[in-house]
Amino acid sequence: QSALTQPPSVSGSPGQSVTISCTGTSSDVGTYNRVSWYQQPPGTAPKLMIYEVSNRPSGVPDRFSGSKSGNTASLTISGLQAEDEADYYCSSYTISSTWVFGGGTKLTVL
Amino acid sequence: QVQLVHSGAEVKKPGASVKVSCKASGYTFTGYYIHWVRQAPGQGLEWMGRITPNNGDTNYAQKFQGRVTLTRDTSISTAYMELSRLRSDDTAVYFCARDGHGYNFDYWGQGTLVTVSS
Repeated sequence: QSALTQPPSVSGSPGQSVTISCTGTSSDVGTYNRVSWYQQPPGTAPKLMIYEVSNRPSGVPDRFSGSKSGNTASLTISGLQAEDEADYYCSSYTISSTWVFGGGTKLTVL
Repeated sequence: QVQLVHSGAEVKKPGASVKVSCKASGYTFTGYYIHWVRQAPGQGLEWMGRITPNNGDTNYAQKFQGRVTLTRDTSISTAYMELSRLRSDDTAVYFCARDGHGYNFDYWGQGTLVTVSS
């Protein structure tokens, strides 16, 4: 099972919006709405930000949103804040009853 | 509140095995899958496998088949990950994470650093 494809890095200024893509295949992202997104500041454990493509857990700001089209899922962060600077990972359930992560995207807030 | 607490850091020699524990509290242990995910230094997240605490059923990533064993002890709400035939590239932080019933990882442990070095 190959990792999902994410851009290595994205950046934006405070108040702007950024979108991180996550491209899989028909064996994972394209078949299931079981895509989730995680935020990981340096030296900490990942934190769930989006589940089932577009749902936010309690406590996650509505500046974070998710979507999916075909084999590609996306995470959009609007109204960027300095505290959003972190690594972001997508994950998907697969037809093999396993899970796969993306390679991760480093978000820099300029 | 939900908590997953890992055992302490380990240093192992190549060829040895390591067993990491993850103690759950704040919820019904048998009601949720536990996943294991690792992260090598400066690298991304890698899913290793998951266990169903209720019956011990397991799924493993193909990459780790034959080298990793997930078990649990329901009497103490603890999950275990054992990795054998360790190599230097197994040096990583190993996390346990609870599956939030939506095929996602809603709570994570703090991780255990395993260093493999001769």
